[in-house]
Amino acid sequence: GENVEQHPSTLSVQEGDSAVIKCTYSDSASNYFPWYKQELGKRPQLIIDIRSNVGEKKDQRIAVTLNKTAKHFSLHITETQPEDSAVYFCAASIGQAGTALIFGKGTTLSVSS
Amino acid sequence: GAVVSQHPSRVICKSGTSVKIECRSLDFQATTMFWYRQFPKQSLMLMATSNEGSKATYEQGVEKDKFLINHASLTLSTLTVTSAHPEDSSFYICSAADSRGSNEQFFGPGTRLTVL
Repeated sequence: GENVEQHPSTLSVQEGDSAVIKCTYSDSASNYFPWYKQELGKRPQLIIDIRSNVGEKKDQRIAVTLNKTAKHFSLHITETQPEDSAVYFCAASIGQAGTALIFGKGTTLSVSS
Repeated sequence: GAVVSQHPSRVICKSGTSVKIECRSLDFQATTMFWYRQFPKQSLMLMATSNEGSKATYEQGVEKDKFLINHASLTLSTLTVTSAHPEDSSFYICSAADSRGSNEQFFGPGTRLTVL
C-alpha cells in the first residue's frame, strides 16, 4: 500500500526566512497530493494541493512542487511569519483523487521573530 | 468550500461502554466518507472507508467488530467504538470528498474521545 515519508520532523526558522518540507510516496498510482496545516486540537486545514499532471503550483507565499518520476513533493513557504508556526502534514491519495489519504508523520514548524 | 460536521466534539466515557460519533456532510452528498484516528503528537491514521449502502473497508490492524461503521445515507456516516478502553482514547476525524467538485477532501472538526 501507499507509504508517505516526511522530513524534517521539526523545523525552526527566523521570521522572513524560507521553510521547505519534503515528502516521498511509494504508490505510483497516487495522483493527488495535499498539504495541511493543523493547529492543536483542530481539524487539518488544506493550504495547497497538487495533482500529478502538474509540476508546480503557487499561492502567494506557499508553493508546492511535484516530481512524479522520483515520487517526491515539497512544500515551500517564503517570508515566514510567526503565525505560520504549526504542524504541517503532507498526504497522498490512495490512487485517484477523492479516495482516502495517507499522511506523512508531520513537521512542527516554529517561526521565531 | 463544503462543510462537514461531527458530533459530539468531545466525549468522556467509562471503560466498557460504547460511543457513537456522527459525521455529516452539510451541503453536499458523499457516497464515500473516511475515518481517521490521531493520537497526541502523531499523524492522522486512516481507519476505514465508509461506503453508502455497503460495508465499510477497514485498514489493516483495525478491528471491524470494535469500530462499527454505518453509512446509511448520502450525508451521514457513524462510527461506533464498542466496549471502549483507555487505549481507544484519541482524536477521531472524518472526511468526505465532494465528487461534484475538485475532489478535495473536507474534514470534520474531530471528536476527542477520552475513556476512563
